[in-house]
Amino acid sequence: DAGVIQSPRHEVTEMGQEVTLRCKPISGHNSLFWYRQTMMRGLELLIYFNNNVPIDDSGMPEDRFSAKMPNASFSTLKIQPSEPRDSAVYFCASTMTRDNEQFFGPGTRLTVL
Amino acid sequence: GENVEQHPSTLSVQEGDSAVIKCTYSDSASNYFPWYKQELGKRPQLIIDIRSNVGEKKDQRIAVTLNKTAKHFSLHITETQPEDSAVYFCAGRRNAGKSTFGDGTTLTVKP
Repeated sequence: DAGVIQSPRHEVTEMGQEVTLRCKPISGHNSLFWYRQTMMRGLELLIYFNNNVPIDDSGMPEDRFSAKMPNASFSTLKIQPSEPRDSAVYFCASTMTRDNEQFFGPGTRLTVL
Repeated sequence: GENVEQHPSTLSVQEGDSAVIKCTYSDSASNYFPWYKQELGKRPQLIIDIRSNVGEKKDQRIAVTLNKTAKHFSLHITETQPEDSAVYFCAGRRNAGKSTFGDGTTLTVKP
């Protein structure tokens, strides 16, 4: 298995632009998590899905952030419009619920100028 | 919700010494406690985990202990090596729930 796949690996954009981050979880995993990591705030859970349904989005910072999971093999995290303070590494992780272990993707390093 | 506190935030040890990182949690319903290692520029990766029905688990130089009554768990690394240098995160989770992560401990092993 290729593990959790994220794209792009790096994204540099200008303030105000729309950013879309993509994630493909490990096949057979039924929970998917989006995290944001910064030096100041550490590893923050933004939202997680179980069986493609959003369960907890309390970590989504504001309405500029949205996430979807249209099917079991794909999820997106969108920021519109982006701001410099959104600059961070965004990780996607997936888990087969009964096994509990979360497998992280390689992350997307986002820089908003 | 769950609150996980991790100490210390930084830890420096001499190669060959032991390192201990401690975490406390608030939700008595949490039953799964993983530890992740994150090297610079890399993703967090699971190194060991423990479930609430076990008090201790060991894997070579790494061990984790859990005290359910006191709601704390610890990571022990023996015979540390320079390649153990990384940021370590603890987490607590209920079944089918989200994991709450500690703030991380930056471990530096000096050769």
